[in-house]
Amino acid sequence: NAGVTQTPKFQVLKTGQSMTLQCAQDMNHNSMYWYRQDPGMGLRLIYYSASEGTTDKGEVPNGYNVSRLNKREFSLRLESAAPSQTSVYFCASREVRSPLHFGNGTRLTVT
Amino acid sequence: SQQGEEDPQALSIQEGENATMNCSYKTSINNLQWYRQNSGRGLVHLILIRSNEREKHSGRLRVTLDTSKKSSSLLITASRAADTASYFCVYAGNQFYFGTGTSLTVIP
Repeated sequence: NAGVTQTPKFQVLKTGQSMTLQCAQDMNHNSMYWYRQDPGMGLRLIYYSASEGTTDKGEVPNGYNVSRLNKREFSLRLESAAPSQTSVYFCASREVRSPLHFGNGTRLTVT
Repeated sequence: SQQGEEDPQALSIQEGENATMNCSYKTSINNLQWYRQNSGRGLVHLILIRSNEREKHSGRLRVTLDTSKKSSSLLITASRAADTASYFCVYAGNQFYFGTGTSLTVIP
């Protein structure tokens, strides 16, 4: 029972490079989320998708784009990475009125 | 920012002692949840308390909620070394908002 799977686990980018973080869940959840976690800041919502075919901005969307490819998959894209995007990125999913289920995160460093 | 705050930021106790951590939040809520994060891992849900509840228990966990003060507390009784982790309150209004976390160390 995999739950929420994120790839890659680690990534180092140079400023200006692009990359896509992948997330897939096997729990048939409608809602999926992308968060970033910075030291002393807790988690902040980047984008979310309440259901397949919809996406909405969260608290810190600038510099990111998302795609809800199908019900299982929700990807996060950095078009031109900046050092301020160095962070740990978590994907989560949930069903209505149920807790969030998290992946194990992607540690991204932008130099 | 609607981010909540937790205190203490860090807590170190001996195995067998109780650990209490507090959360203050900023918006009206539907429910408040507590999550645990082990080092380098994702968050795991512990317990949920609804806005019309004042106290809830689950095993060694006890959560209280005071909506008039916009605050909640998590008590872990008879702590174990395996409880060493960071604990986050997450309150749900239109979105989920996370507290800043309490880092708990339980010394064997």
